[in-house]
Amino acid sequence: QVQLVQSGPEVKKPGASVNVSCRATGYSFTNYGINWVRQAPGQGLEWMGWISGYNGNTNYAQKLRGRVTMTTDTSTKTAYMELRSLTSDDTAFYYCARGPRSVVLPAPSDYWGQGTLVTVSS
Amino acid sequence: EIVMTQSPATLSVSPGERATFSCRASQSISSNLAWYQQKPGQAPRLLIYHSSTRATGIPARFSGSGSGTEFTLTISSLQSEDFADYYCQQYNNWPPAQWTFGQGTKVEIK
Repeated sequence: QVQLVQSGPEVKKPGASVNVSCRATGYSFTNYGINWVRQAPGQGLEWMGWISGYNGNTNYAQKLRGRVTMTTDTSTKTAYMELRSLTSDDTAFYYCARGPRSVVLPAPSDYWGQGTLVTVSS
Repeated sequence: EIVMTQSPATLSVSPGERATFSCRASQSISSNLAWYQQKPGQAPRLLIYHSSTRATGIPARFSGSGSGTEFTLTISSLQSEDFADYYCQQYNNWPPAQWTFGQGTKVEIK
């Protein structure tokens, strides 16, 4: 069955970077993309961006451009999300979710990882 | 960026009753809209996509409708496991592909 397994919780200091991984099993990784979504404590969902598992094309939320980089390793079926220059506002659960292979083939996020808590604190 | 507005923010409903809530897009998104359910401490779960298609394993009491800018999610007879947060998300295609969420509706026990 389709599963997305994320890396464990992280605690970072302001100004640092964090890298969250998302390993996919149970489907053809290159036939889909990965969305990243975050949720601050007690808040709603925020779409961060998307990466194609097929060709590595990316599309980032305008708010995060310049601070976020999404990559994939097709050999291990793993997606990565790096967020730099962290502030306390970046404290949140970070989710990966399976999405479309191409940005011009719209599709929802049908399977989700378990979430990774990133805490930014001095 | 397309702004998604959900209403109401909170809906108080008794078990067995019908619940209806809305999602409005700031510009037309055709039928490129999904609904997700999220319970405390869990990842979101896809309920509805393409405005009205139930995802795999979703009970028939969940239904979605709408196109363009106005969308609705209806739960025909609320069960205890349905008390949760619900989010809409537009996934309209290029350009620009910024797949924004609504701020959510909390369905609580009346």
